[in-house]
Amino acid sequence: EAGVTQFPSHSVIEKGQTVTLRCDPISGHDNLYWYRRVMGKEIKFLLHFVKESKQDESGMPNNRFLAERTGGTYSTLKVQPAELEDSGVYFCASSQDFLGTSGMSGDEQFFGPGTRLTVL
Amino acid sequence: GQNIDQPTEMTATEGAIVQINCTYQTSGFNGLFWYQQHAGEAPTFLSYNVLDGLEEKGRFSSFLSRSKGYSYLLLKELQMKDSASYLCAVRDRGGSYIPTFGRGTSLIVHP
Repeated sequence: EAGVTQFPSHSVIEKGQTVTLRCDPISGHDNLYWYRRVMGKEIKFLLHFVKESKQDESGMPNNRFLAERTGGTYSTLKVQPAELEDSGVYFCASSQDFLGTSGMSGDEQFFGPGTRLTVL
Repeated sequence: GQNIDQPTEMTATEGAIVQINCTYQTSGFNGLFWYQQHAGEAPTFLSYNVLDGLEEKGRFSSFLSRSKGYSYLLLKELQMKDSASYLCAVRDRGGSYIPTFGRGTSLIVHP
């Protein structure tokens, strides 16, 4: 079974440009999450999709970030315009069940390898 | 929100046992995860604790004490491939059940 994949693995752009990151979750996983890790800090939650709907986007830093999941399959995260502080590793994760509903293991998240974004 | 604290770095010898601690503060605890992350790779799930006690899974065990806000990950018979970052993540009912991650503990295993 293929795991979570992300594209590109690395992206280097200049401040003010636009970048679009893509995530393909594990097939059949309705839940898709975006996280970001800025250098030296912890992984931080950005948002959560259930199928094509945004369940929770409380972690999105500002309106320069736009996430979509049309059709409930893959997701994109667009940063427009990019700023220096957007540099970091963007992780995508998927899970079969929604965290918290069962309270048991088995709804763990499977992470992709991340996209390393560098804004110059 | 949650305050999650774990040591930044630890070193250990191949074949030894190492314990990585994680302390947290949360208002509505709903589970604690441990993930392993090798450099440049995806975090991979190791364990999940929601009740007090020890969960054993091969060479890895995870312990939880909810009253103390404390967990540890125990790695036995260390191998060189265990060199990685170990992430503690806590789920809170008040946080939409989305886990909050600690900064991770970088474990270096040397011969």
